[in-house]
Amino acid sequence: GAVVSQHPSWVICKSGTSVKIECRSLDFQATTMFWYRQFPKQSLMLMATSNEGSKATYEQGVEKDKFLINHASLTLSTLTVTSAHPEDSSFYICSATRGNQPQHFGDGTRLSIL
Amino acid sequence: DQQVKQNSPSLSVQEGRISILNCDYTNSMFDYFLWYKKYPAEGPTFLISISSIKDKNEDGRFTVFLNKSAKHLSLHIVPSQPGDSAVYFCAASPNNAGNMLTFGGGTRLMVKP
Repeated sequence: GAVVSQHPSWVICKSGTSVKIECRSLDFQATTMFWYRQFPKQSLMLMATSNEGSKATYEQGVEKDKFLINHASLTLSTLTVTSAHPEDSSFYICSATRGNQPQHFGDGTRLSIL
Repeated sequence: DQQVKQNSPSLSVQEGRISILNCDYTNSMFDYFLWYKKYPAEGPTFLISISSIKDKNEDGRFTVFLNKSAKHLSLHIVPSQPGDSAVYFCAASPNNAGNMLTFGGGTRLMVKP
C-alpha cells in the first residue's frame, strides 16, 4: 500500500522554539496533504488542507501564523509550529492523497513542549 | 457539534468471537465512509470503505454495513484476533472519494485471548 513518511516521530523542545515536521509521500505523488492534531483519547482533528503549489486552507480556530504549512512539491509538505508553547504539545499526523484515493497517513509526530 | 459519533469508547471481545463497532453520523451530505485502525503512536491505517450506493462491503474478516436511513454504519470483525486490538475510527466524506474526512471519536477494541 501507499507509504507516507513523517519525520521526526518525537520532538521535545523548550517553550518558544519553532519546530518543523515533514510529511513525505514515498511512492506516489500527492496532490493533497492534510495535517491533523490528536489530543490524548480524542479523535483526529483536521487542522489544514494543503494542495501542492497553493496556500493551505486552515480549519476554523487554527491560527495560520502559528502553524505554517508549506507544500512545495507533490511529495513533501511541512508543518512548522512557530514559537511553540506547552499547550501546543500534541500528536500531529499528516496524510496524503491523490485524486479520489483514500487518505494514507504518516505515523505521526509527538510534540512535547517543556 | 460532532457530525460523526462513535458512542462506545471501548469494547472488549473474546478471541474468535465477533466484534461489532458502531458509528452514527448526522450530515446527509456524507456519502462515503471509511474505517481506520490505529495503534498508539502510529498513524491510522485504512481498513475498509463503503460508498452510499451500497449497504455492505466485505474484505476478509472485515465487513462494513451502512444503513443510510438511520445514518448508521458498523464494522464487523469475525473472527476477532488479539492482533485486532487497537483504536478504530470511522470517518465520513461528502464526496465519493474519501479525501475530505470527518472522524469519529474512536472505539478502543480489546480482544482477549
